[in-house]
Amino acid sequence: GAVVSQHPSWVICKSGTSVKIECRSLDFQATTMFWYRQFPKQSLMLMATSNEGSKATYEQGVEKDKFLINHASLTLSTLTVTSAHPEDSSFYICSASSQGLGDGYTFGSGTRLTVV
Amino acid sequence: QKEVEQDPGPLSVPEGAIVSLNCTYSNSAFQYFMWYRQYSRKGPELLMYTYSSGNKEDGRFTAQVDKSSKYISLFIRDSQPSDSATYLCAMVSGGYQKVTFGTGTKLQVIP
Repeated sequence: GAVVSQHPSWVICKSGTSVKIECRSLDFQATTMFWYRQFPKQSLMLMATSNEGSKATYEQGVEKDKFLINHASLTLSTLTVTSAHPEDSSFYICSASSQGLGDGYTFGSGTRLTVV
Repeated sequence: QKEVEQDPGPLSVPEGAIVSLNCTYSNSAFQYFMWYRQYSRKGPELLMYTYSSGNKEDGRFTAQVDKSSKYISLFIRDSQPSDSATYLCAMVSGGYQKVTFGTGTKLQVIP
């Protein structure tokens, strides 16, 4: 089945620094990837839709300048949290579909970001 | 009213029991339905995916969709302690569209 790899799985950074999270589709090409944020004991909140070769589409309330998304190739999308603050600490997860909806959406294993 | 409603639980059952997890939705544009299992601090794992009304079976799991009632279910037969996790229903209107999730139901299967 489709596999989505996300890296790193765990990162701790100092307040004010930037962190980059990578999301790769390992055995398929993904023209569209999605980035979510999940707080403890809550469901996934869509942050943005990443489209290969074009600008990402952000959900209402998500700061574009803070959460930079780049989808430079059909197998890689990155999320950069800029000038991170403790309130950005969360679980970030990406997902992709290999065939639109031919097989549902596959999720990465997630990245736990802790800003100290 | 939320687009997708899901009982958050927690739901606690003895090992071997049949588990029924349910979601209702209000958006008639939803055409594709998924169930995910999420263990603590892990990404969601796709369990079932379906796009038509009726039942779809995969091993111990059965997904049921009733589009006329806007109601979907996931049944787990012969539940195991390893099934203890949070189960999320998810639905989408079309290809490459954003997915709307339920809030998740936390399931605990007691040995």
